[in-house]
Amino acid sequence: QVQMQESGPGLVKPSETLSLTCNVSGDSMSSSSYYWGWIRQPPGQGLEWIGSIFYSGSTSYNPSLKSRVTISVDTSKNQFSLELRSVTAADRAVYYCACDFAYYFAFWGQGILVTVSS
Amino acid sequence: DIQMTQSPSSLSVSVGDRVTITCRASQSVSSYLNWYQQKPGKAPKLLIYGASNLQSGVPSRFSGSGSGTDFSLSISSLQPEDFATYYCQQSYSSPPYTFGQGTKLESK
Repeated sequence: QVQMQESGPGLVKPSETLSLTCNVSGDSMSSSSYYWGWIRQPPGQGLEWIGSIFYSGSTSYNPSLKSRVTISVDTSKNQFSLELRSVTAADRAVYYCACDFAYYFAFWGQGILVTVSS
Repeated sequence: DIQMTQSPSSLSVSVGDRVTITCRASQSVSSYLNWYQQKPGKAPKLLIYGASNLQSGVPSRFSGSGSGTDFSLSISSLQPEDFATYYCQQSYSSPPYTFGQGTKLESK
């Protein structure tokens, strides 16, 4: 079974870049046919898909965030990453990485809370 | 974007109750509709995919139905561990995938 773990700073300053990494274990990203996605959830609110990446590097982003988001993959480390630029207080959320079976998110990381504050 | 609307937003229920949550899409999503359960402080957990397919390891008291724009998640006999928030998600039209706003099951 795939296991996933997010890591990165829990505090980011306004206007700076949020950077998170998701480490994947239990399967090789380069040999699987899954996508790998990021989803976020502001405290007390619902879920928002940020984007997904295939092991080849092909990406798909939420149009509402596309201008500020980059998702990349490093199959040699079995991990993928999220960059969200020019963050504001509205980007405060729990960020989850998830295994995207192209139609549903089968496995999730535990999530990491990122706060935007100076 | 396809909008997903769940009803009700919250539901007061008791152990043993049969529970039904509905999810409506702003346009047809065929059967590309998934259901997740989320408990406080935890990541969402996939329950149902493809509108009616039970994810491995999920108890059989959970079931999903529907196609097109109208879907439902049913719990045949609510157990104490089922108190949680439930989300629907469409994967027919991407980007973006979109989620419903959630339905919280509360103890009556």
